[in-house]
Amino acid sequence: DTGVSQNPRHKITKRGQNVTFRCDPISEHNRLYWYRQTLGQGPEFLTYFQNEAQLEKSRLLSDRFSAERPKGSFSTLEIQRTEQGDSAMYLCASSSNRGNTGELFFGEGSRLTVL
Amino acid sequence: KNEVEQSPQNLTAQEGEFITINCSYSVGISALHWLQQHPGGGIVSLFMLSSGKKKHGRLIATINIQEKHSSLHITASHPRDSAVYICAVRSGSRLTFGEGTQLTVNP
Repeated sequence: DTGVSQNPRHKITKRGQNVTFRCDPISEHNRLYWYRQTLGQGPEFLTYFQNEAQLEKSRLLSDRFSAERPKGSFSTLEIQRTEQGDSAMYLCASSSNRGNTGELFFGEGSRLTVL
Repeated sequence: KNEVEQSPQNLTAQEGEFITINCSYSVGISALHWLQQHPGGGIVSLFMLSSGKKKHGRLIATINIQEKHSSLHITASHPRDSAVYICAVRSGSRLTFGEGTQLTVNP
């Protein structure tokens, strides 16, 4: 297993465009998380999936943001009508509730720059 | 006041020194994570604690649930330990992160 994979790693876009990020978690992990991190800050929770169900969404996730995990495997995070304030690193993490370890495994992140 | 507070924000040490990074939190938690983030963004999980103490190599993490406090210790620090160390607390499915401690270990 290659761990949690995110792509693209970097995305530069103009304000108003839509962008989509993909996360492939570790294959046996049923839990998937999206976080956002701006420079000098700790990550902020965006949303959480258990299998294909989106169980929790942060108030940070405005109606321009949507996340899916249609088959309980990979997930996508789409940002519509991007704004400069959306510029950040978008981090995906996965974990398993089997064995009750709960250890998180993070991807390398997708860095978004909105011009 | 943030739910998770880390101190210090920045720490510079000489190679070989003993390092302590502190984390205090104000909410009820089911577990606490210590994470390491290198330049470029990759985050690695170091420890997940719900009580007591864990050790892995030169790293030691402790937690005091009653005092809502955790510490991460690095013994015999090395320049390759230079990174941002982040404390995160779990409540239900949600993780709340501290702002991180930037550690620089000079040779």
